[in-house]
Amino acid sequence: GAVVSQHPSRVICKSGTSVKIECRSLDFQATTMFWYRQFPKKSLMLMATSNEGSKATYEQGVEKDKFLINHASLTLSTLTVTSAHPEDSSFYICSARKEVNQPQHFGDGTRLSIL
Amino acid sequence: AQSVSQHNHHVILSEAASLELGCNYSYGGTVNLFWYVQYPGQHLQLLLKYFSGDPLVKGIKGFEAEFIKSKFSFNLRKPSVQWSDTAEYFCAVTLYNTDKLIFGTGTRLQVFP
Repeated sequence: GAVVSQHPSRVICKSGTSVKIECRSLDFQATTMFWYRQFPKKSLMLMATSNEGSKATYEQGVEKDKFLINHASLTLSTLTVTSAHPEDSSFYICSARKEVNQPQHFGDGTRLSIL
Repeated sequence: AQSVSQHNHHVILSEAASLELGCNYSYGGTVNLFWYVQYPGQHLQLLLKYFSGDPLVKGIKGFEAEFIKSKFSFNLRKPSVQWSDTAEYFCAVTLYNTDKLIFGTGTRLQVFP
């Protein structure tokens, strides 16, 4: 149980394109989903926390207009990287959890490459 | 700011060797502690967690970790590693009753037969 599906697993696109990444909890309802970014040989850095039906809470230094997060249902959150540039190239990972103090379950991640 | 330190960046062991991976955190309040594992090509999976109670926590696949509050540590151990334990291991912390997971930089473990 507790499977999180992330799609796509890899995307390559031109600079200026907007890219949408989906995160789905397949067998549980996730009241909260999280979006992380991982740089090479670095730890996962939390970008934002998303609660179903409300606006996401962004971490300091993360541009909310650049990284649009939508959490329209208890099983789906999306991250849209708007007008992506090469510096946005990274590995993006989502996670989901049922309740506070419950462990987060992670998706497989999305490798985003902006040319 | 709160942080998590993993001192071993890359560990290489032979099968049957014992393993201990260090994890220290900086926060004076109540914390929840986690170890996650990421096998090659797979997503992060929870190995074990500590919320309260017995500070010696047993997880999956023979792993255990000990919370030593006075040392702000949560080291991961396994008495005898296997080749299949080759993976990246991440220590993580949440402050009590919050959601924000703070990760260490990870330790890459390679086990040779």
